[in-house]
Amino acid sequence: GAVVSQHPSWVICKSGTSVKIECRSLDFQATTMFWYRQFPKQSLMLMATSNEGSKATYEQGVEKDKFLINHASLTLSTLTVTSAHPEDSSFYICSARDRGNRRVETQYFGPGTRLLVL
Amino acid sequence: AQSVAQPEDQVNVAEGNPLTVKCTYSVSGNPYLFWYVQYPNRGLQFLLKYITGDNLVKGSYGFEAEFNKSQTSFHLKKPSALVSDSALYFCAVRAINNNDMRFGAGTRLTVKP
Repeated sequence: GAVVSQHPSWVICKSGTSVKIECRSLDFQATTMFWYRQFPKQSLMLMATSNEGSKATYEQGVEKDKFLINHASLTLSTLTVTSAHPEDSSFYICSARDRGNRRVETQYFGPGTRLLVL
Repeated sequence: AQSVAQPEDQVNVAEGNPLTVKCTYSVSGNPYLFWYVQYPNRGLQFLLKYITGDNLVKGSYGFEAEFNKSQTSFHLKKPSALVSDSALYFCAVRAINNNDMRFGAGTRLTVKP
């Protein structure tokens, strides 16, 4: 089946630094990618939707200047957490939709990136 | 906007017994409904979906779910639970004319030997 990878899987950083998380669709082209955030024992919260070559659409309450999303190609989207603070510590999951497959369940999820800001 | 409710934070069952994980949804128009499973520190794995057609849908690992339009429910079921089924289960809904998927809060299933 289709694979979505995320890198890194784990990152620990100091408060005030910026962290970039990559999301790649490995064997398909993804016109649309989604970024979710998951707090411990809670559900996935949609942060933003990005379409290749255009600006991301952010959900209400998500700071676009804080969470920079770039979807520069059909196989890569990046999420940059700028000036990270401890409250940004979370599990970030990306998801990609296969442009070549019209089946509605074809939204594949990456393995997630755990961010810990000290 | 669409939303999903999973009324149980935790479901405990004994191995070999049937299991049910509940889900109700709210959406304008016809829904696409999904179940996903998440193991610790992992992403989500697709289990099954309802798009149209038969109300009872069968998915991976012996799971099935029944779409009930009048009750706006999509409960996940399995006739005989395995210890390895222990995980976090998410119900999700998408409207047909909408791009984004909304998830329930998740239900932690624990199957005891």
